[in-house]
Amino acid sequence: DAKTTQPNSMESNEEEPVHLPCNHSTISGTDYIHWYRQLPSQGPEYVIHGLTSNVNNRMASLAIAEDRKSSTLILHRATLRDAAVYYCILRAGNMLTFGGGTRLMVKP
Amino acid sequence: DTEVTQTPKHLVMGMTNKKSLKCEQHMGHRAMYWYKQKAKKPPELMFVYSYEKLSINESVPSRFSPECPNSSLLNLHLHALQPEDSALYLCASSQPFLTPNYGYTFGSGTRLTVV
Repeated sequence: DAKTTQPNSMESNEEEPVHLPCNHSTISGTDYIHWYRQLPSQGPEYVIHGLTSNVNNRMASLAIAEDRKSSTLILHRATLRDAAVYYCILRAGNMLTFGGGTRLMVKP
Repeated sequence: DTEVTQTPKHLVMGMTNKKSLKCEQHMGHRAMYWYKQKAKKPPELMFVYSYEKLSINESVPSRFSPECPNSSLLNLHLHALQPEDSALYLCASSQPFLTPNYGYTFGSGTRLTVV
């Protein structure tokens, strides 16, 4: 399975943008890049996914490098409710394999 | 309905007990999954069902037995568990890979304690 590498933790100030990086240098052409987040005591929550082009939705934006070996999840204005573990995952077929994730802390 | 419902939310069982975890979705998803999550660790995939057939078993011990009675329901039957099996068990659903999809939907999990 293609693997992803994320920083263990990041800190942000409330109301500021947050850029969460992810490296996936062994990505294959058919792997979709998925992002999920997990708040304390909850199941993971889908955030966004993409294949080659940048994607936007109501929760976040996903910027994908031209060579697809890295991507960045962008939260445009962090709130305290965005404090969670963010997982960058490569979906291959019906496999969604979680890596270590980034714990995002948001300071008021 | 855009939810995955898991019952029970909490379960305490002895090592000789037999119990079942249940998962239900009504989004028309045809792929369903069981994950296990230990404290402060990422979820680990256990089983994948696609169109009600088991397609992936990630070398899970036989004391865990999955069942997919229909396209909306997924069960995980538990028997002779060990204390180290204590964890959060998460169910998820999605459209199968080769159809347009908007990601996986996860339930909030069953917190299992084996005593």
